[in-house]
Amino acid sequence: EVQLVESGGGLVQPGGSLRLSCAASGFTFSSYEMNWVRQAPGKGLEWVSYISSSGSTIYYADSVKGRFTISRDNAKNSLYLQMNSLRAEDTAVYYCARVGIVVVPGAFDIWGQGTMVTVSS
Amino acid sequence: SYELTQPPSVSVSPGQTARITCSGDALPKQYAYWYQQKPGQAPVLVIYKDSERPSGIPERFSGSSSGTTVTLTISGVQAEDEADYYCQSADSSGTYKVFGGGTKLTVL
Repeated sequence: EVQLVESGGGLVQPGGSLRLSCAASGFTFSSYEMNWVRQAPGKGLEWVSYISSSGSTIYYADSVKGRFTISRDNAKNSLYLQMNSLRAEDTAVYYCARVGIVVVPGAFDIWGQGTMVTVSS
Repeated sequence: SYELTQPPSVSVSPGQTARITCSGDALPKQYAYWYQQKPGQAPVLVIYKDSERPSGIPERFSGSSSGTTVTLTISGVQAEDEADYYCQSADSSGTYKVFGGGTKLTVL
C-alpha cells in the first residue's frame, strides 16, 4: 500500500525547534518530488516547502524561509522538516505530500495523515 | 506573493450543479489542481491538470479553464460531496506552489 506517515509533532515554546519526519512506503521514494503543506486550526491549506527527488532543488514559502529546512534521505525512504525559531503562527497540522509523476503528473497525489505542531508558552 | 482567489462558500441542493471558481493571474500558464477535504481528513485529489479526473473519482466531478479562472463543477451533487475544496497551482515561474483559500460546499 502506498503510504506516507508523519511524526514528530508536539507542543513547543515560541523560539523553540522541532523536527518532523515523513516515512514513505509502497513506492520508490527516490523517484518522487515531495512537499510539506500545513493547515492552521480552522484555516486553509498553505504550501510550506518543496524538495526534488534527488534533494538538489529546494524551495520555501516566504513565511518559513530562513527558519525551516527541508531534507530527505532516500536510503531511509524519509522526508524531514527541521523547524527553528518557531512562532505561534506556525501552529498547524503539517502534511507531507507526494508529487505525482505518470498517473497524475504535477499533482499532490498522496498525502500523509498529518502531525500537529502547537507553538505556545 | 502570488494568490489564488476562491469564494468562501457555495450552497446547492442535492441533485443540482455546484460550480466553484478559482482565479489567479498565472493560471493561463500553470495547471490547476483541485482537492477535496472532509473534516479531520487529509485532502484528496479530485482534478489534475485543469480538467483531468483521477481514477476512482466520480464522473460528476469535472474541471475547466478559461483565461485566469479555473472552475470545478460537481454535477448532480450528493450529500457526501459536502466538504472544503481547494484549488492549487504555482506562480508564473512554476517555483512556488500556492493554494486558494478554500471553498466550503454545503449541500442543503
